[in-house]
Amino acid sequence: SSELTQDPAVSVALGQTVRITCQGDSLTSFYASWYQQKPGQAPVLVIYDKNNRPSGIPDRFSGSSSGNTASLTITGAQAEDEADYYCNSRDSSGNHVVFGGGTKLTVL
Amino acid sequence: EVQLVESGGGLVQPGGSLRLSCAASGFTYSSYWMTWVRQAPGKGLEWVANIKKDGSEKYYVDSVKGRFTISRDNAKNSLYLQTNSLRAEDTAVYYCARVHRLARWYFDYWGQGTLVTVSS
Repeated sequence: SSELTQDPAVSVALGQTVRITCQGDSLTSFYASWYQQKPGQAPVLVIYDKNNRPSGIPDRFSGSSSGNTASLTITGAQAEDEADYYCNSRDSSGNHVVFGGGTKLTVL
Repeated sequence: EVQLVESGGGLVQPGGSLRLSCAASGFTYSSYWMTWVRQAPGKGLEWVANIKKDGSEKYYVDSVKGRFTISRDNAKNSLYLQTNSLRAEDTAVYYCARVHRLARWYFDYWGQGTLVTVSS
């Protein structure tokens, strides 16, 4: 199986730009998807595939990928973006799914 | 509106069993893979299992293989997770989610979860 590594915590000043990264061998072959989870709530898909946003997700959220690293960028972070963010991808075996450990984003 | 509603969680002793259910509505259920994801208290997300649209393919994380069984009833728009030989480390909120058509690891709609507590 493969693993995905995320920084445990990141902070950003209100209105500034923040990048949350996810590293793993499987990301050289497959795109990641990204999920936002606020306390006591279910996760919400915010980015999938190359850089697609589901309906209702603000365009300040974007995704990118380079080598074995996927990134979620929030341009102009808002107070409501404070949450845990998880990446996931396909496992190298092809049939399993793996999640990163999550990044807690604090908006200062 | 897509809705996923889990049920069946509760307190169970180690070695016990629970059957989790997920009722789906607002979309053509039989056209989508479905998945279960769990989250232990204060921990991150962990994928548990996937099932193909017609139930013919099923995949599990290694830690539950042989103990958990994912299934579905397309006539009832329902997803299930039979959990047997439960351990303390299975304590978690269990979410069902719909799998996006583009890829098996894009989960585009989630339920609110059902809590399973394994304790004596």
